[in-house]
Amino acid sequence: AQTVTQSQPEMSVQEAETVTLSCTYDTSESDYYLFWYKQPPSRQMILVIRQEAYKQQNATENRFSVNFQKAAKSFSLKISDSQLGDAAMYFCAYRSGAGTYKYIFGTGTRLKVLA
Amino acid sequence: EPEVTQTPSHQVTQMGQEVILRCVPISNHLYFYWYRQILGQKVEFLVSFYNNEISEKSEIFDDQFSVERPDGSNFTLKIRSTKLEDSAMYFCASSEYGTGGASGYGYTFGSGTRLTVV
Repeated sequence: AQTVTQSQPEMSVQEAETVTLSCTYDTSESDYYLFWYKQPPSRQMILVIRQEAYKQQNATENRFSVNFQKAAKSFSLKISDSQLGDAAMYFCAYRSGAGTYKYIFGTGTRLKVLA
Repeated sequence: EPEVTQTPSHQVTQMGQEVILRCVPISNHLYFYWYRQILGQKVEFLVSFYNNEISEKSEIFDDQFSVERPDGSNFTLKIRSTKLEDSAMYFCASSEYGTGGASGYGYTFGSGTRLTVV
């Protein structure tokens, strides 16, 4: 069975600085997708960035980028130029490409942004 | 931007009572999901729904749970006889695409319903 691990329950970053959130996963599959979701105090889960396992190039969305290390089964999220609005819970998620609808989530990392 | 809407935002119910959680998915989405998050724990998959039937469910989704799309816009989760351990945040989600190559597009989640069973 697949698992997703986020080893940092909480992180802090100064406004305008860069922070990296860690995520590791375990799978025997070769076809899968990885996601980072943000959950602000409003509680809505917002898709931040996604990565297809078959793509070697790391995904980037504005200030958000990932470091996808397939062999190491690592999928970290880098937030550059951190803003107060980035403060939220961040969840890493895995989805198999093999005909399942299910996401497997990590336990989340709470990010605090300090002014 | 289109949103998934969930009502109510918070519901308190007596143990043993039935509760219905409501969701309005994005209008052109065809796949619907329920997830739950017990306080301080992982977000867990409950069920997926497509073409008016369950397409996948987890071991959590036992006989006390049911889902329905009663009309063209709503998607509901019913818990028949609530237990204390059903207290959680319940998230509805929807997607335009299902499995396979479109799996990478991700879901749109609602803001959740916090269910408290007392």
